[in-house]
Amino acid sequence: DSGVTQTPKHLITATGQRVTLRCSPRSGDLSVYWYQQSLDQGLQFLIQYYNGEERAKGNILERFSAQQFPDLHSELNLSSLELGDSALYFCASSVIETGELFFGEGSRLTVL
Amino acid sequence: GIQVEQSPPDLILQEGANSTLRCNFSDSVNNLQWFHQNPWGQLINLFYIPSGTKQNGRLSATTVATERYSLLYISSSQTTDSGVYFCAVERSSGQNFVFGPGTRLSVLP
Repeated sequence: DSGVTQTPKHLITATGQRVTLRCSPRSGDLSVYWYQQSLDQGLQFLIQYYNGEERAKGNILERFSAQQFPDLHSELNLSSLELGDSALYFCASSVIETGELFFGEGSRLTVL
Repeated sequence: GIQVEQSPPDLILQEGANSTLRCNFSDSVNNLQWFHQNPWGQLINLFYIPSGTKQNGRLSATTVATERYSLLYISSSQTTDSGVYFCAVERSSGQNFVFGPGTRLSVLP
């Protein structure tokens, strides 16, 4: 158990819909990262937050948005879903002292 | 941005064999990690190794930062070692980690 909690674990929805993925970082970690892994693909960085502020943005679509709340949990919002958005979405948090990443178990999104 | 390459892309072994996985990166890095993604999709931390050598049971890793590569050694492989092994690097402190494409390992009984 990495200590990073993601919900839901599985989600099935239809095209055009909107979903919210939730992540709670490890206790004491201030940074939260979101990554997307499509079928048989590598991990693509989406966005990073540090203590509530956006720190870095990767290949995140305009239909996607995220935020980190005062209690440090984060949410990734995916809207106007398309078939190609089907993927594993991972959240990670990093240790302040070293930057070591720890991943949650992921949220598997299926868009039908 | 920084480029990360991993080799080989695929590897098939008989149980009990040894293997070496390689990660090359195109620029100096502040951090480097190895992960194992098991068949259920979980990403498991193997090593946090920006430089030097570490060992954990049958696994060990070496990073030569000055030459921009890292190696992951798996000895006496077991079927539970199957999955995809990712190398990830962080260019500067506080930036995002960039992942390599992974090495898919299949260990046959």
